[in-house]
Amino acid sequence: GAGVSQSPSNKVTEKGKDVELRCDPISGHTALYWYRQSLGQGLEFLIYFQGNSAPDKSGLPSDRFSAERTGGSVSTLTIQRTQQEDSAVYLCASSFPNTGELFFGEGSRLTVL
Amino acid sequence: AQKVTQAQTEISVVEKEDVTLDCVYETRDTTYYLFWYKQPPSGELVFLIRRNSFDEQNEISGRYSWNFQKSTSSFNFTITASQVVDSAVYFCALGRGSTLGRLYFGRGTQLTVWP
Repeated sequence: GAGVSQSPSNKVTEKGKDVELRCDPISGHTALYWYRQSLGQGLEFLIYFQGNSAPDKSGLPSDRFSAERTGGSVSTLTIQRTQQEDSAVYLCASSFPNTGELFFGEGSRLTVL
Repeated sequence: AQKVTQAQTEISVVEKEDVTLDCVYETRDTTYYLFWYKQPPSGELVFLIRRNSFDEQNEISGRYSWNFQKSTSSFNFTITASQVVDSAVYFCALGRGSTLGRLYFGRGTQLTVWP
């Protein structure tokens, strides 16, 4: 499809395991964002990629979280040694640069048991 | 520091009523952008509008209108003659400067429109 694609849509894992969440942005969008949304919480910024610039990682909650973007397109968010408080919906969005008009994916719902 | 406050957590109205969603922001930047996004019950977040800090003109799009007032640091959103399909969580957001990196979102307002 033409929208932002995220996988998996649902992931259940055990505490302590590592997980990888994937985001395929809209073709041509050079900006890519990861947010997470917990029950009752707003949208918590995690990381922002823009072209070849160094990513803005200021929202990553701990060093267990990392993200990369290969070839300026697909991005992977990795959470190591998952904790129960990591349970949330992880949202990816992409946009053209400097617009703020984000196109969001459907999210990856992570449940840590 | 950048901050967006949506004081209304939940609002319920009956169809055809008008409803206003409040948004108050904090920033020391002189150039910034404000946004509204909609998240329907089973859907993705959808962009509704962007305004820059130099344009305080109100905007109307169909049943939707936005009131931007720098004097009160507010960017309120009004839905006229609400419909059941308007039921969603609405998020206000702030973007800094002209490069618009991360957006700072409020916690959202859950709007329920009853038939």
